[in-house]
Amino acid sequence: SQTIHQWPATLVQPVGSPLSLECTVEGTSNPNLYWYRQAAGRGLQLLFYSVGIGQISSEVPQNLSASRPQDRQFILSSKKLLLSDSGFYLCAWSVRSSFTDTQYFGPGTRLTVL
Amino acid sequence: GNSVTQMEGPVTLSEEAFLTINCTYTATGYPSLFWYVQYPGEGLQLLLKATKADDKGSNKGFEATYRKETTSFHLEKGSVQVSDSAVYFCARVNQGGKLIFGQGTELSVKP
Repeated sequence: SQTIHQWPATLVQPVGSPLSLECTVEGTSNPNLYWYRQAAGRGLQLLFYSVGIGQISSEVPQNLSASRPQDRQFILSSKKLLLSDSGFYLCAWSVRSSFTDTQYFGPGTRLTVL
Repeated sequence: GNSVTQMEGPVTLSEEAFLTINCTYTATGYPSLFWYVQYPGEGLQLLLKATKADDKGSNKGFEATYRKETTSFHLEKGSVQVSDSAVYFCARVNQGGKLIFGQGTELSVKP
């Protein structure tokens, strides 16, 4: 069966510090991968998605970036965090062959920027 | 446009009450529709889905029917439990294959 992992689970970082969040998927090959952000009391915002190694599409302009160094690894980064980057970050995957298929979410990383 | 609209929460019910959370969508064509649930402090879990008009998705006592005439996908459960307390998200897939989420509806079930 497929599983998706995210770490760390929680993170507290000062403004201006760098960020690296990691997501890995097991049990499937060539997945579509996604990063979402959920701000407190709000819905989900798609940040990035990837259809393959090194292929990243950005949905919103921000000081975040994403990379996919391996087929089942998706990394969210920032060089300098802003207060507004606080939120709950969710990684998700879906079957590569169909964008209309279900997306499966990881447990999330709660980021607090102080 | 392409959007998903859910009824505003929080919704507070007593145990064993009937639940309806409304969801309507705008779309070109007939996109797949989903309900996800988020328990406190956790990620999203797929609750149910429907991939074509008139389909009914069901899971854990929850149901939703894909109604193209009213562009709706309302979530229902006949008898809620305290353990159903969570935030529920309606979503649809757009033509680019991305999930468009509603704003979420918080459900609180009291014993």
